Amino acid sequence: QQPVQSPQAVILREGEDAVINCSSSKALYSVHWYRQKHGEAPVFLMILLKGGEQKGHEKISASFNEKKQQSSLYLTASQLSYSGTYFCGTVSNNAGKSTFGDGTTLTVKP
Amino acid sequence: NAGVTQTPKFQVLKTGQSMTLQCAQDMNHEYMSWYRQDPGMGLRLIHYSVGAGITDQGEVPNGYNVSRSTTEDFPLRLLSAAPSQTSVYFCASSSNNLLANYGYTFGSGTRLTVV
Repeated sequence: QQPVQSPQAVILREGEDAVINCSSSKALYSVHWYRQKHGEAPVFLMILLKGGEQKGHEKISASFNEKKQQSSLYLTASQLSYSGTYFCGTVSNNAGKSTFGDGTTLTVKP
Repeated sequence: NAGVTQTPKFQVLKTGQSMTLQCAQDMNHEYMSWYRQDPGMGLRLIHYSVGAGITDQGEVPNGYNVSRSTTEDFPLRLLSAAPSQTSVYFCASSSNNLLANYGYTFGSGTRLTVV
């Protein structure tokens, strides 16, 4: 069963912050995040393992709440280059099979 | 390093035709997967492999076959193309099964249209 992402879309002005959420009904081993620009392949941002850790990548960070089976992606002081569709992928068994959410489209305007 | 290479980049098929989408990686990754992405939608797992000689089904395997005879190559075969298989197909690889600090590297995709 695929994870659920929210919101589906968000529009920001440069410098504003955003949070994208990803939740699963299954116990998770890991959550990974990607950004996809229109017409391109998804690009890996970061992966979080069970244990509730938080990671950062430039001004993008993420957290993983193992008990709630939820992950959140935080984009701070957004830049025009942050525009794109963000996907979370979840791994819920030790075979490593990964399913993806339907994505959150982020638009950053000047 | 070339990373993950997919061929062809574009393909138009007639209903009922068969074809093979090629995927090759030069990173010695054990884990490879095929996803399809319909317009405005997320990625749906078709088949995946945890190593040479081992494959398994994903969420939407019907109408597709895979094999993994080498670590480098993971071709996807469409047996009898249908309009419902019109999509963008992505091949992805990882050095392990996503239980550690490694994500997927995606190929650039194959845009398939079935008429």
